[in-house]
Amino acid sequence: AQSVTQPDIHITVSEGASLELRCNYSYGATPYLFWYVQSPGQGLQLLLKYFSGDTLVQGIKGFEAEFKRSQSSFNLRKPSVHWSDAAEYFCAATGSGGSNYKLTFGKGTLLTVNP
Amino acid sequence: GAVVSQHPSWVICKSGTSVKIECRSLDFQATTMFWYRQFPKQSLMLMATSNEGSKATYEQGVEKDKFLINHASLTLSTLTVTSAHPEDSSFYICSASEGSNYGYTFGSGTRLTVV
Repeated sequence: AQSVTQPDIHITVSEGASLELRCNYSYGATPYLFWYVQSPGQGLQLLLKYFSGDTLVQGIKGFEAEFKRSQSSFNLRKPSVHWSDAAEYFCAATGSGGSNYKLTFGKGTLLTVNP
Repeated sequence: GAVVSQHPSWVICKSGTSVKIECRSLDFQATTMFWYRQFPKQSLMLMATSNEGSKATYEQGVEKDKFLINHASLTLSTLTVTSAHPEDSSFYICSASEGSNYGYTFGSGTRLTVV
């Protein structure tokens, strides 16, 4: 079955420190991959997405993600975290072919930023 | 960029009544809309997928007679929770897509509380 796994439920980092949020996927073929951020009581905002090509993807707010086919991973990174980055982060995937556009979400990683 | 407006942002209703949630794409035509449910501190669960002018496709375990979805135009989809009960209290989020471009735009969500 298709699935997205975010191994870390909660991560705490200090402001200014680097950040890496992990995401692994299990799909028959390489899926399209996404990272979203959700602030409390809000919808989801797209940070970045990967379809094909360069495996290092740049997104908004200084985030980037690297697709590694050999590890079935799409980890999100930021070199220096700001207090405003505290939020819930979701990795998601969808099939890259056919008419199946449904997103499968990971369980999310809650990011806490200490001053 | 693409904007999806979801209304209301929160609603409190009495048990046994029905509640309608609207999802509008403001600057693009949403050929496909998705409805999700999110429990506290959990991921998004897809409830149904709707294509304009067609009946919605519900995910396994979702009661289609309880959660009525209408997608009558390319800019509007509605979710009606019929005969709501306290266990239906949740955060409901819609997402709209223009089609095969895999651009998913999320609404800001609706907090439903059934008392």
